[in-house]
Amino acid sequence: DAGITQSPRHKVTETGTPVTLRCHQTENHRYMYWYRQDPGHGLRLIHYSYGVKDTDKGEVSDGYSVSRSKTEDFLLTLESATSSQTSVYFCAISESKVTDINYGYTFGSGTRLTVV
Amino acid sequence: EDKVVQSPLSLVVHEGDTVTLNCSYEVTNFRSLLWYKQEKKAPTFLFMLTSSGIEKKSGRLSSILDKKELSSILNITATQTGDSAIYLCAVNNAGNMLTFGGGTRLMVKP
Repeated sequence: DAGITQSPRHKVTETGTPVTLRCHQTENHRYMYWYRQDPGHGLRLIHYSYGVKDTDKGEVSDGYSVSRSKTEDFLLTLESATSSQTSVYFCAISESKVTDINYGYTFGSGTRLTVV
Repeated sequence: EDKVVQSPLSLVVHEGDTVTLNCSYEVTNFRSLLWYKQEKKAPTFLFMLTSSGIEKKSGRLSSILDKKELSSILNITATQTGDSAIYLCAVNNAGNMLTFGGGTRLMVKP
């Protein structure tokens, strides 16, 4: 989507290797999020950030870490990839609290990660 | 723990049919409910419903929030093949978090 890009778009990696996914935004939004999407589970929050170097855990944070050293970049790292982390990962951004703005989040196009 | 449940899981209809998708929630400090449409890639925003705006309409799509029943419906009238997608419901609580339901996969056949 315009203003938010994820890289890579697809990745296949081996079990036990570290993997980093990148989310880059040009909207200067304060809030950034990482979700994973699995069949039947919808979108589940992994980690989020509410400013540079300000991050917190979501509901499925085990095995993941994040960093945000600049407003525009939010990195998601799988410290030692496992097959259960095979998923589609979405980054999302929002300018302010969801209730303040009538559009919710803007999502990136996703990264399809396969751990073999 | 916040919880959002959508039904049905999947639905197959023919063009011209009307469909109703359901979303129920259990959320502490409810602020708003959002509907998204997801085709092949990123979810795209459809509606946001709050206590002050419990009904929204856009073309053939409309949505109602029932705060008493802790639920919402998304109606699509005169369905088209382009309506085929996963429809996601999400609820925002007092923080800036969205909790998503599992989605309803809609397929509209010609």
